[in-house]
Amino acid sequence: DAGITQSPRHKVTETGTPVTLRCHQTENHRYMYWYRQDPGHGLRLIHYSYGVKDTDKGEVSDGYSVSRSKTEDFLLTLESATSSQTSVYFCAIGGVGASGANVLTFGAGSRLTVL
Amino acid sequence: DAKTTQPTSMDCAEGRAANLPCNHSTISGNEYVYWYRQIHSQGPQYIIHGLKNNETNEMASLIITEDRKSSTLILPHATLRDTAVYYCIVRVHGSGNTGKLIFGQGTTLQVKP
Repeated sequence: DAGITQSPRHKVTETGTPVTLRCHQTENHRYMYWYRQDPGHGLRLIHYSYGVKDTDKGEVSDGYSVSRSKTEDFLLTLESATSSQTSVYFCAIGGVGASGANVLTFGAGSRLTVL
Repeated sequence: DAKTTQPTSMDCAEGRAANLPCNHSTISGNEYVYWYRQIHSQGPQYIIHGLKNNETNEMASLIITEDRKSSTLILPHATLRDTAVYYCIVRVHGSGNTGKLIFGQGTTLQVKP
């Protein structure tokens, strides 16, 4: 969808293991975002990036780190996964257009289960 | 960013217009109103946005009241594929805008045959 790919799409892991989710874009957008979605909480922003090596925290950043070494890739890392991080993770690209509009394009999501 | 209030759920008959309301009584003058929707298990999808004038695109129409304290998203001829969660978000434009969007709980629209 609009040049955004998330991988893996599904992952099952055990508590305490490290996990990295990848978001790849072919649109050359400056802004990239990671959200998580849980029943009863809706979509919550974890981290976002406004350029290569420029990142900032969102609403629920504890337990997560991100990296963006090149424009097209935004990595989300769980250093030591916990069961509370079982969720569906969505990456989004876009952000501020020429008019200043906030039009984000979302990926298909990555479903993570931590046992 | 201003807070929005939406009904938790709504029903609509297939082929009829779906009118989804949103209250944003604390909206400031430089905040835009955005609508996104999320069909089950998919990522959210942008629908439309506006400042104070009514807006229309191929997907929907956005009606913003004159005092800008509320708005309505209109799907003119709802189909079963429009069944989704609809999010109303207000967001400031301008310098320092990082583009991030904060989602609320949204309205679950159920289109029925």
